[in-house]
Amino acid sequence: GAVVSQHPSWVICKSGTSVKIECRSLDFQATTMFWYRQFPKQSLMLMATSNEGSKATYEQGVEKDKFLINHASLTLSTLTVTSAHPEDSSFYICSATLQAVSGQVNYGYTFGSGTRLTVV
Amino acid sequence: GNSVTQMEGPVTLSEEAFLTINCTYTATGYPSLFWYVQYPGEGLQLLLKATKADDKGSNKGFEATYRKETTSFHLEKGSVQVSDSAVYFCALATGANSKLTFGKGITLSVRP
Repeated sequence: GAVVSQHPSWVICKSGTSVKIECRSLDFQATTMFWYRQFPKQSLMLMATSNEGSKATYEQGVEKDKFLINHASLTLSTLTVTSAHPEDSSFYICSATLQAVSGQVNYGYTFGSGTRLTVV
Repeated sequence: GNSVTQMEGPVTLSEEAFLTINCTYTATGYPSLFWYVQYPGEGLQLLLKATKADDKGSNKGFEATYRKETTSFHLEKGSVQVSDSAVYFCALATGANSKLTFGKGITLSVRP
């Protein structure tokens, strides 16, 4: 089945540094990648949507200069948290949709395993 | 806009008890509906889905039926196990490659 590999699974960084999170679709081409943030015991909050080769679309209230998203190929998307601060500590999850098969609609959403970011 | 409402939690059950987790939705058009499960420290896994009215999604003993007349997609399982303890999210999508709209999630704890 479809697999999205997300790395790292956890990271601790110092305040002011930048952290990059990668999501790779291993056996399919990810048309669209979604990036979510999840606070403890809460639901997923969509941060941005990215399509391969184009700029990401950010949700209202999400700072695009702080959360840099790159979707340079159909199998790789990255989220970079720049100048991280303790309030950026959270669980970040990516989700990829499968490329639609010609003539059919394929509602495939595959999630990465998440990245626990702790900023100290 | 689109929204998903889940019943308030958490839910604690004894092993082999019957489970119902309510989910209702508001959406334009004809959404696809999903249930996802999240185990501690992990990402989300698709549990089941339904893409049109009256469809029943099922997996691992869980079932949910897409009820357009009541705009609901309640999750049920006849006999829960300790290993079912997790957080369950109801979600909808209104088009191919469109974003998922999630409910708040509900924590299920199953006691031996």
